[in-house]
Amino acid sequence: DTGVSQDPRHKITKRGQNVTFRCDPISEHNRLYWYRQTLGQGPEFLTYFQNEAQLEKSRLLSDRFSAERPKGSFSTLEIQRTEQGDSAMYLCASSEPGVGLPQETQYFGPGTRLLVL
Amino acid sequence: TQLLEQSPQFLSIQEGENLTVYCNSSSVFSSLQWYRQEPGEGPVLLVTVVTGGEVKKLKRLTFQFGDARKDSSLHITAAQTGDTGLYLCAGATGGYQKVTFGTGTKLQVIP
Repeated sequence: DTGVSQDPRHKITKRGQNVTFRCDPISEHNRLYWYRQTLGQGPEFLTYFQNEAQLEKSRLLSDRFSAERPKGSFSTLEIQRTEQGDSAMYLCASSEPGVGLPQETQYFGPGTRLLVL
Repeated sequence: TQLLEQSPQFLSIQEGENLTVYCNSSSVFSSLQWYRQEPGEGPVLLVTVVTGGEVKKLKRLTFQFGDARKDSSLHITAAQTGDTGLYLCAGATGGYQKVTFGTGTKLQVIP
């Protein structure tokens, strides 16, 4: 396993269409995070899974957004009825709790860049 | 809302120069991380600091965590073109260590 992978890397869609992104975490990692990053800014937290359970969702995650991790491995992020404001880089990260550390290390994927026309 | 502000927002320097990037917040964090991100890629972790006043060195990079665990700095000595990228600080709090990212510093090192 060489790291977190995301698919697709780029997506261009028309406003109003639905899109789905996939994230495959590092295989032994039980925690998975989704972030959104706009140009020149830091990533913003969207949601977090521990195994298959979605434990927290940001207010940024409107009802048009849904994320799943059905078997506790890969995750999908779906955006329904896309809007131009959804254009951003969508990043996935995975981690496992570090033994003896207060801060676990999150490993990021390369991201999916979404452009809504 | 926890806000991490980084300064400067942009920095363009000549190869060989030194620079410092700052990360400030009014909130206390249990730990703080620094990442570097290149265009079209995800952030890559450089270092994690957890103790107030802690200093860590990674080759030409020196990271410091403030005594009160509210701020941090990254100092690069003799910058190289390979240091070019977006530098992000990120503070962690909470049971599962939810991470809040800073606003980012875009560094360009000119040969």
